[in-house]
Formats: sequence, C-alpha cells, structure tokens
Amino acid sequence: KAGVTQTPRYLIKTRGQQVTLSCSPISGHRSVSWYQQTPGQGLQFLFEYFSETQRNKGNFPGRFSGRQFSNSRSEMNVSTLELGDSALYLCASSLVENYGYTFGSGTRLTVV
Amino acid sequence: QKEVEQNSGPLSVPEGAIASLNCTYSDRVSQSFFWYRQYSGKSPELIMSIYSNGDKEDGRFTAQLNKASQYVSLLIRDSQPSDSATYLCAVNSGTYKYIFGTGTRLKVLA
Repeated sequence: KAGVTQTPRYLIKTRGQQVTLSCSPISGHRSVSWYQQTPGQGLQFLFEYFSETQRNKGNFPGRFSGRQFSNSRSEMNVSTLELGDSALYLCASSLVENYGYTFGSGTRLTVV
Repeated sequence: QKEVEQNSGPLSVPEGAIASLNCTYSDRVSQSFFWYRQYSGKSPELIMSIYSNGDKEDGRFTAQLNKASQYVSLLIRDSQPSDSATYLCAVNSGTYKYIFGTGTRLKVLA
C-alpha cells in the first residue's frame, strides 16, 4: 500500500517567487492536512481538506493557499515568498478524523 | 499558555530503563490524543492513540490519559537506543485539525 507522497522533496526559491507543493494521500483517504514545521515553532497547522472542501484553516497569511482535487490529491501554494517561509512542509492524510495521520516525507523549502 | 505543552528535553535514560514522556493540553473538549515519533530528518510516525481515560498498551509502549487533569503521557519500557527520537504529542478537539506540542527529545544511552 503506497504511503503519502509529496513532491518535490527539496526546493530552493528566491524571495518574492511563488511555489506549489503537491501531495497524494493514501488511497481511500479523503482528508488531507498540511503543516509547516520549523525548529522554533514545531508543527503549525495550515489547512485541512475533505472532498475538495477546506474544513479548517490555521493562522497563516493569505499568501498560503491550498486546494484539493476530486481524486483527493492536494496542492498548497505560497505566493510572494519570504525568508521566514523556509521550513519543512508536511502533508498528512487520514481515513477518519480521529484515527491519526499518516505523514508524507515532506517538502523542504528554502527561501534565499 | 500554549495549547499543548511538552518538556523539550533532552530526556536521557539508560538502555533498558523506562522512559516517561509527558504532555498537557488546555482545551477541555479535546477528544483524541496521539503520540508521534520523529527521527531526525524524517517525518512524524504515529505510534499510539488514546481516546478514553486510563492506560492503553501496545508492545513496549503505554499511553496514559487523564482528562480531568488534562494530561497525557507515554511510557516506553525497556528503552533501546533505536528509541532515540523526538516524541510529539498531538490533540484533536474535533475541529478537523490536530494541535501538536513542540516535542520531547529522548536520548537512550547504550
């Protein structure tokens, strides 16, 4: 059974650019969540999608957006990148809300 | 006050000992509780979930939940050097998001 697949694994972008990250959940999982992980702040919730609908959003600026497609694959976009956006971005999927997440390997974004 | 608090550590225990990791949370309506293990450079991996007061055992791991005290713990028996990792506590309040603590770094000394 394939796990959660995130692409790309690594990205280097310059300030002001935009970036799109992709996530394919485990087959059958319709809930996809995104988190930002930094050494200082830990895991911070970005948003959660279920059946193409955003059900919750974290406290991030509007530069962070996401979407989910009918096949449950999800993308997140960050526009006008800032140095502080450098982080590990983790996608997680779950079958049922209270059963816990399975995380992907993450996308390491470096903004220079 | 942070929503989910953990001691950052490092918590150092000798091989074969019991490691005790603790977590407190602030939202009284929290419904489900999870422990994740994260090795350096890797993504978090779910190791335990607990939903009701008391203990839940899975192999060398025991999760303990006390909702009245808003306290969750993880015990690792017969600790091994391979258990050295950061352990993240996560709480779900039924709002389609989990709140994570910043993690406790565990070092098991051979």
